[in-house]
Order: sequence, then structure tokens, then C-alpha cells
Amino acid sequence: GAVVSQHPSWVICKSGTSVKIECRSLDFQATTMFWYRQFPKQSLMLMATSNEGSKATYEQGVEKDKFLINHASLTLSTLTVTSAHPEDSSFYICSAREIGGEQFFGPGTRLTVL
Amino acid sequence: KQEVTQIPAALSVPEGENLVLNCSFTDSAIYNLQWFRQDPGKGLTSLLLIQSSQREQTSGRLNASLDKSSGRSTLYIAASQPGDSATYLCAVPSGGYQKVTFGTGTKLQVIP
Repeated sequence: GAVVSQHPSWVICKSGTSVKIECRSLDFQATTMFWYRQFPKQSLMLMATSNEGSKATYEQGVEKDKFLINHASLTLSTLTVTSAHPEDSSFYICSAREIGGEQFFGPGTRLTVL
Repeated sequence: KQEVTQIPAALSVPEGENLVLNCSFTDSAIYNLQWFRQDPGKGLTSLLLIQSSQREQTSGRLNASLDKSSGRSTLYIAASQPGDSATYLCAVPSGGYQKVTFGTGTKLQVIP
């Protein structure tokens, strides 16, 4: 199957700083990328959907000014957690898909905010 | 709104047993259904993808079935091994194939 990578795999930051997470599709062009968040012992929850070249669509309850998503190319999407706080500590997973194709998931990024 | 439920939430079995994990969904208008495993602190590993036109898919010791009309899927694991210990998630696309709704997960522990 297709490969999706995320960088970094884990990050620890101080409260109030911003953190950028990258999601790349390595061997296919991803017209759509998705960002999920998973809190401990809970299932993954979709945060936002981004289509290349357009603004992301955020799920209800997700602050678009706090979680900035950029899908500048067909192989790269970034999620920036701005002014991170301890409650933002979570596991962030991206997925990517081609037009009409299945979703392929990245390995995830564990964010810990001190 | 699609809702996906998995039963049981947790399961502990001795090594060698065959077991069944259940997944139910409320909206039967699905394109496909996917089973994943997730190891602690790790991302998702895709196990099986069943298209809506299929009844089942097999990969090694895993067999997944799909009954769209009743809104159910099962994941059958034969001859379980300690390495199978993980959380198993089912997921279905919804919202015009744009979104994926995940189940609540079943945490499996296989005891040596």
C-alpha cells in the first residue's frame, strides 16, 4: 500500500509555544488529507479535512485559529498547534488519499505540552 | 450521522484461541469498511479493507466479514498469538466518502 509519513514522531514543548507537524504522502498524490486526534483510551476523532489548494474544513468543536492546517501541495500537509497548552497533549494522526481512493494513515505524532 | 460501535471493549484470551471482534454501524450506505490495529502509542496498521460489494476478506489468520444490511462487520482471528495483543479499530467512510468514522475499539490481550 501507499506510504504516509509524519514528522516529528514525537515532540515535547513548553506551554504557549507553537508546534508544527508535517504529513507527507511518499508515493502518491494526495488530493485530500485528514487530521485526527486521539486522547488516551479514546478512539480517533477527525479534526479537519483539507483539500490541496483550499482552506481546511474543521469539525465542530475544533478551533481553526488554534489548529492551523496548510495543504500547499499534493504531497504535503502541515498542522500547526498554536499557543499549545497541556490539554492539547495528544496523539495526532494524519491520513491521505487520492481522488476516489482509500485513505492511508501516517504513523502519528505524540505531542506533550508541559 | 454515522456511529460506529465495537463490542467487546476489551477482551483477554489464552494463546491459541480463536476469537471474534464485532463492529456495528448505524448508516448502512457505506463504500467500504476497514479494520486496523493500533499498538500502544503507535499509529494505525491497516489489516483488511472490505468493499461494500464484498462479503468478506481474508489475510493470513484474519478474516473480516461485512453485512451491510444489518450494519455489522466481524473480525475473526484464528489461533491467537501474544503478538496479536493490540487495540483493534473498525472504520467506515461517511459524508460522501470524505470522512472516516472510527469505532470505539476493542483492546485485545492474548495471554501466553
